[in-house]
Amino acid sequence: QSVLTQPPSVSAAPGQKVTISCSGSRSNIGINSVSWYQQLPGSAPRLLIHDNYQRPSGIPDRFSGSRSGTSATLDITGLQTGDEADYYCGTWDSSLSAYVFGPGTKVTVL
Amino acid sequence: EVHLVESGGGLVQPGGSLRLSCAASGFVFSDYWMSWVRQAPGKGLEWVANINQDGTKIHYVDSVKGRFTISRDNAKNSLDLQMNSLRAEDTAVYYCARKIADFWGQGTLVTVSS
Repeated sequence: QSVLTQPPSVSAAPGQKVTISCSGSRSNIGINSVSWYQQLPGSAPRLLIHDNYQRPSGIPDRFSGSRSGTSATLDITGLQTGDEADYYCGTWDSSLSAYVFGPGTKVTVL
Repeated sequence: EVHLVESGGGLVQPGGSLRLSCAASGFVFSDYWMSWVRQAPGKGLEWVANINQDGTKIHYVDSVKGRFTISRDNAKNSLDLQMNSLRAEDTAVYYCARKIADFWGQGTLVTVSS
């Protein structure tokens, strides 16, 4: 059972918006920054968001992140078929002295 | 351009050992924490271990403590993962990552089976 909680799947039509939640606790999201990763089918993961809301170079601004309390959120706007992938949140857990990933959320474009 | 290339994966029997390596290029290797992350077939991501710039700080996920050892050679820009007492549940694609994890390698598959 994951320390972080994500919905198993979300879906929306092209051009619409999806929101993926990541729920944790005071020892992880509550005090440490959150990253988000995208894993396209058959590919290695790539970093989408770091430090809660920062986008690495080359990541479109359709992807945005936020954190509030012990939860974090990834929004994807202007959904495209190429966004179909698994999305993972991750953060350091200070009680475990370990990095933890959420279980992943599959995004489907209808 | 950051480049991370894993090697050393393969088929090993339960109880056996395997050593993974990651060759890094395109950045100053000695400036960064490095990590190993794994993904079992059809499953999610699991962080395995990380190591600081000079190898003096190391963390492991509980399930590999005492069996896996992460190490690095800054002169060779390489990161290693020595895996002993392997179990079926260690079967996964193992990814090398800079920090946790702004850049990832393509992964190397480790299969533990008799």
